[in-house]
Formats: sequence, C-alpha cells, structure tokens
Amino acid sequence: NAGVTQTPKFQVLKTGQSMTLQCAQDMNHEYMSWYRQDPGMGLRLIHYSVGAGITDQGEVPNGYNVSRSTTEDFPLRLLSAAPSQTSVYFCASSDRGLNTEAFFGQGTRLTVV
Amino acid sequence: SQQGEEDPQALSIQEGENATMNCSYKTSINNLQWYRQNSGRGLVHLILIRSNEREKHSGRLRVTLDTSKKSSSLLITASRAADTASYFCATDPYMDSNYQLIWGAGTKLIIKP
Repeated sequence: NAGVTQTPKFQVLKTGQSMTLQCAQDMNHEYMSWYRQDPGMGLRLIHYSVGAGITDQGEVPNGYNVSRSTTEDFPLRLLSAAPSQTSVYFCASSDRGLNTEAFFGQGTRLTVV
Repeated sequence: SQQGEEDPQALSIQEGENATMNCSYKTSINNLQWYRQNSGRGLVHLILIRSNEREKHSGRLRVTLDTSKKSSSLLITASRAADTASYFCATDPYMDSNYQLIWGAGTKLIIKP
C-alpha cells in the first residue's frame, strides 16, 4: 500500500516558470489537501478538496491552482513561480476530513531562484 | 493564522527520560491531533483526542486535553533515540466554516544517547 505519493522530491525553478506538483493516494480518501511548511512555522493550508470535482481555498492560496478530476489525484500548479514560494510542500489525505488522521506524502522541496 | 502554539520550541533530554510537550490554542475545538515529523520527512499521525475526552494513551504516548485551559500535552515516556523529531499539534476549530486544521509551529525534540 503506497499511501500518499508526491513527485518530484526536489525541484529548482527560475522566477516566472510554472510547474505542477503531483500528488496521488491509493486509499480512496475523499479529503485531500496541500500545505506549505516554512522554517519556524506550522503547516499552512494552500488548497483542499472534499471530493472529486470540488476544491476550495485555504489560508495561502495566491499563486497556486488545484484541480481534482479523480479521487486519487490532486495536483498543485504554480502559475508563475516567485522566490516567496520557496518552501517544502506536503500533500495529505484523510478518510473523513478533519475528524480522522491525515496521511502525508514525503514532501517536495521547492527552490525558486 | 496559527491557533496552536507548542511549548517548548525545543527540548533536549537524555535517553530514557520522559519528554513533555504542550500545545495551547485559542478557540473551541472539535478535536486535537498530534503528529511527528522526522527530519526531511512527511508528518506521521500519533493521536487524535476529541473535545469530550480528557486523556488518551498509545504505547509510550499519553495525551491530555484540558478544554477549560485550551491546552493539551503530549508525554513520551522512556524516550529513545528514535523519538528525535519535531512534534506538532493541530486543531479542528469548532464551527469553523473554513474546514481546515490549524497547526502549531512545533516542538523540536532531541534525545541524547
């Protein structure tokens, strides 16, 4: 059972470039979310989805887009990378939203130069 | 915005000793969760405690919740080198329409051999 799989693990982008961070889960979870983690801070929610076809904004959505065409996949797209988006990004999924444990991917370390 | 605040920010103890970490939050909650993060890895769920519960155990972990003080503590007994990690609390705010967990900045725990 793979759980939550994120790709890539590391990425360097130039300012202005776009890219997509991939996230897939094989647990048939309805709820999926994307966080960013910066030094000395807790996780901050970027976007989340409560099911296929449904997405919503979190605390820090600017500069990011998401889509949820299937239950399994929840890609995060950076539209025009900025140095402020240098961070570690985590994807998570859970069975019943906030009332159950979340399963996290291993993270993507993104550097924007 | 961060609701949970862990205390202390960092803790260094000898192997075999007990480690206690605290989490304070601002608003009423449905539940509170504790997660562990090893360096460079994703977060792993430890315990979820609901607002009507006062204490939960899992192996060497003991979590307490005091809703009157809006605080929780995580106790790790008989610490081991493998417990070296950062520990985060996350709260599910009561009647929050944003449908997101609120994370603290974490306690970095170092177990010295």
